Amino acid sequence: GQQLNQSPQSMFIQEGEDVSMNCTSSSIFNTWLWYKQDPGEGPVLLIALYKAGELTSNGRLTAQFGITRKDSFLNISASIPSDVGIYFCAGRRTSGNTPLVFGKGTRLSVIA
Amino acid sequence: EAQVTQNPRYLITVTGKKLTVTCSQNMNHEYMSWYRQDPGLGLRQIYYSMNVEVTDKGDVPEGYKVSRKEKRNFPLILESPSPNQTSLYFCASSLYSSYNEQFFGPGTRLTVL
Repeated sequence: GQQLNQSPQSMFIQEGEDVSMNCTSSSIFNTWLWYKQDPGEGPVLLIALYKAGELTSNGRLTAQFGITRKDSFLNISASIPSDVGIYFCAGRRTSGNTPLVFGKGTRLSVIA
Repeated sequence: EAQVTQNPRYLITVTGKKLTVTCSQNMNHEYMSWYRQDPGLGLRQIYYSMNVEVTDKGDVPEGYKVSRKEKRNFPLILESPSPNQTSLYFCASSLYSSYNEQFFGPGTRLTVL
């Protein structure tokens, strides 16, 4: 099955810095999702995007559904230590019963 | 509290010894799914179920079985585990298959020696 190309694989940043990560696909997606996995826990949904060009925020997090429908971006502003974790993008190619496809994750480390 | 539970959380076993990882959700969700997470490979779907008695293969089903006899439970069965099934396993559920918010369980770390 297809997986999404997510980058970067890992990031080390200073507390207070902004973070950007992205996810790309060779196929068109109708839905883009961003999850965060804290150490020792399961992924938790952060933001869901359903429309090309859509820009959605959740606190310090902002995600965008790319115009081409083949990519999505997640930005975190003013990072704090609790932002540490693995961020996964996920997408669904069509509406209905197609399964979610996940990226390989971006591991974020925040240095205080 | 709405949740997905998995048991056991940690398991060390030996090659060939049948095991079952249980998954239960209390949200009356129709859709349930199993994933495995491996370093550098992200989350890969093993099997999913759109409702009771309806199951289907995901991307990596080889070596696994599932059943969905009740809506709340979706056990993952390894009939003859092998070392390449050493992984972190997650169960997830959502209201319907097309409903995007999947709730994940806390994970089961399996080591097969």
